[in-house]
Amino acid sequence: KQEVTQIPAALSVPEGENLVLNCSFTDSAIYNLQWFRQDPGKGLTSLLLIQSSQREQTSGRLNASLDKSSGRSTLYIAASQPGDSATYLCAVRTYYNNAGNMLTFGGGTRLMVKP
Amino acid sequence: GAGVSQSPRYKVAKRGQDVALRCDPISGHVSLFWYQQALGQGPEFLTYFQNEAQLDKSGLPSDRFFAERPEGSVSTLKIQRTQQEDSAVYLCASSPPPGGNGYEQYFGPGTRLTVT
Repeated sequence: KQEVTQIPAALSVPEGENLVLNCSFTDSAIYNLQWFRQDPGKGLTSLLLIQSSQREQTSGRLNASLDKSSGRSTLYIAASQPGDSATYLCAVRTYYNNAGNMLTFGGGTRLMVKP
Repeated sequence: GAGVSQSPRYKVAKRGQDVALRCDPISGHVSLFWYQQALGQGPEFLTYFQNEAQLDKSGLPSDRFFAERPEGSVSTLKIQRTQQEDSAVYLCASSPPPGGNGYEQYFGPGTRLTVT
């Protein structure tokens, strides 16, 4: 059974810092990996999707990398801003899932960027 | 275009009541998923539809949970005889047919269920 772990569970940084969020998964037979952002009381917003054949994806100040063989992904946020404060969730789609498409989520990292 | 919508956004139920949660997926999306998110945790898979067919319901926690998508569009998640441990946010997601980013899932805002 696929298990996804995110470290740290919570992070508080001053504005302007570069930061790295970590995600690890136990079964490397994944189809893809997604990073989501969730604001309090809101749904999930997809930030980046990395296919299993890719090594990284970039969008603005965000860069996500994937090392499938070691079961790890990182989300790099450059020049953090207070508006980046949210919970960041990592999710993987694994080949063996009966549904074929369901996502397995980590517990999330709660990020607070202080002005 | 419109995203995934869910209703109601908030629901308070007394223990033992039945509830029905609705999901309107993005038009043309064949796949639809339900997830349950407890406070402070990541979402957990409940069930999956491809068009009107329920292909996987392995995540439903008990036989009190039932989901349907009779015409392959709108879906309803029903919880019978609600219990306090059912309190959570219920998220719906849809995804387009395979190809390109066909496996990317788009999430609705969720329904926050509180059982008192």
